[in-house]
Parts: sequence; C-alpha cells; structure tokens
Amino acid sequence: EAQVTQNPRYLITVTGKKLTVTCSQNMNHEYMSWYRQDPGLGLRQIYYSMNVEVTDKGDVPEGYKVSRKEKRNFPLILESPSPNQTSLYFCASSFGDNPNTEAFFGQGTRLTVV
Amino acid sequence: AQSVTQLDSQVPVFEEAPVELRCNYSSSVSVYLFWYVQYPNQGLQLLLKYLSGSTLVKGINGFEAEFNKSQTSFHLRKPSVHISDTAEYFCAVSNDYKLSFGAGTTVTVRA
Repeated sequence: EAQVTQNPRYLITVTGKKLTVTCSQNMNHEYMSWYRQDPGLGLRQIYYSMNVEVTDKGDVPEGYKVSRKEKRNFPLILESPSPNQTSLYFCASSFGDNPNTEAFFGQGTRLTVV
Repeated sequence: AQSVTQLDSQVPVFEEAPVELRCNYSSSVSVYLFWYVQYPNQGLQLLLKYLSGSTLVKGINGFEAEFNKSQTSFHLRKPSVHISDTAEYFCAVSNDYKLSFGAGTTVTVRA
C-alpha cells in the first residue's frame, strides 16, 4: 500500500530535550516536505526537499533541522524544543522534484512541549 | 512571495444543499492551485488541482473549482453536499518548490 508513515503519532516532551520525528514514504517520490498545523493558521511549510541531499527552508524553518540522506526518509529534528513548537506536524511526499503533483500526507504527529 | 486567503473560516450547510468555499491568492508569478480536504484525525488528501488549461476543474466526490485569473480566485463548489462532506478544506498555491496553504474552512453538514 502506498503510504507516508510518520512516527511517533503522539509525543510529549520537555523543553530543550532533542527529538526526531521520522517520515518514510514507499512511493519513490523525489519531493518531500514538513508542515506544521496550528488552529487558525492552516498548514505552514517548515522545510522541503527536492531530492536526496537537496533541502531548503519553507516559511517557518526556525528551530528545526532536516536531512535527506535516503530518498524514502526525511526526518524532522528539533534540537532544543520550546513550547511554541507544540503543534500538529505533517510530512508529505510528491512525485517529481516539486509539489505540483498530488501531495500524499502522513497521519500526523501531535507534539506537546512542556 | 505567495499567499492564500480563505474568506470563510466556518461554513454550516444543510444536507443536499449547495456549498461554495472561497479562496483568493496572491502571487507575482504564475501559480498552481489546489484544494485539499482533511477529515477528522486524518492527514490531507487532494480534492482537485489547477495547473493549466480549462479554468473549470473537476475533482473527486463531486467537487469542482473555477480558476479566475483576473480576480485571483479559486473557489470550490459542490451542488449537493452529504453528511460525509463534513471536514476541513484547505486551498493551497504552489510556485516552483514551495506550497502555501490557507487557514482552512470548516464545513459542517447538518441533516
């Protein structure tokens, strides 16, 4: 089954404790991206990757890091989480090196930073 | 820079009535336009997209949208809604590599 898998689905952590949210897709898509969803703000793009070893900042990259060492994986790293990073996070992938085809979304990761 | 404005945050509608969700965008260059739907506790899925060609775009589940370049709008419509259309709807615009979403419109369908 074609899918984007995020782990964990739920995470509660403390301020300053480094964490990684994993994202994996099995569709051989080149383009992958991370978004955060906050009430009243919709989804905002954090980082995106057009292919292996090619990443760039989205609209809200501060406090986040990403890497794309393999085509299928695109982890999101929070080196020192803060409460304002409490949010619902989505990973998505698309065929081709841009988001102009259909984006396939993961189920989301709900992160709470206390 | 590009941005998306969804003009209605909440739209209540009765079952079998029509619905229209309004979306305006701004961009200095040509864009690609999308509508995504998010059902409760799920990720987003694509309803329809406009890349080029006919300005009337048909999508899944009976939805359609019309691209109006002069008004920079991409409104979503469905002539008759079902209870199962209760969800949050997002308009999005893409320019090259970035995808920008609107704040979302919550549609609640009542019997």
